[in-house]
Amino acid sequence: EVQLLESGGGLVQPGGSLRLSCAASGFTFSSSAMSWVRQAPGKGLEFVSTISYSGGSTYYADSVKGRFTVSRDNSKNTVYLQMNSLRAEDTAVYYCAKTRFDYWGQGTLVTVSS
Amino acid sequence: QSALTQPASVSGSPGQSITISCTGTSSDVGGYKYVSWYQQHPGKAPKLMIYEVSNRPSGVPDRFSGSKSGNTASLTISGLQAEDEADYHCSSYTSSSTYVFGTGTKVTVL
Repeated sequence: EVQLLESGGGLVQPGGSLRLSCAASGFTFSSSAMSWVRQAPGKGLEFVSTISYSGGSTYYADSVKGRFTVSRDNSKNTVYLQMNSLRAEDTAVYYCAKTRFDYWGQGTLVTVSS
Repeated sequence: QSALTQPASVSGSPGQSITISCTGTSSDVGGYKYVSWYQQHPGKAPKLMIYEVSNRPSGVPDRFSGSKSGNTASLTISGLQAEDEADYHCSSYTSSSTYVFGTGTKVTVL
């Protein structure tokens, strides 16, 4: 059974940093691209970032480029999202998703507020 | 990248059919086969319902079907059931090697 478990969310002040983690199981993690998608309260889904199976290629939404960094550790079956220079508009539930969004985690809430 | 355009809401009675549209551009929906649809119940994670325009993952009822014409993709739910009441989102691969999601549609079963 595919399982994705996000962690690391919480309350952070504007300008602060946070690192999200997503622990994966139930599939061959090292062969799968992984993505992060967020959903602001009451809003639709927004693509954030994708990382290739090897970590050699990364892609970002314009809204987070230069502030967020996606990475992965295939030995730990975990993908990360380092979020710097956080803004109020980054407040959202952050989901990790496998490959072309065929499986999703339960999400972790990030709140950026003073 | 602008969000794909979906109607804010669609409603139907049990047993009826409804269709949700998802309009993009030639740089996303119109240019690739990687259009997907997701169902999301309140407080839950999205669930993949359709991938690559018209394919259903195992376990998804065949009441759900997808299609595409030009820059617009569509999700049709036939034989609408109470449990189909949820938010539905579309997504597409883009020419920037990223993805874009739709604005989301709330489906109400009357």
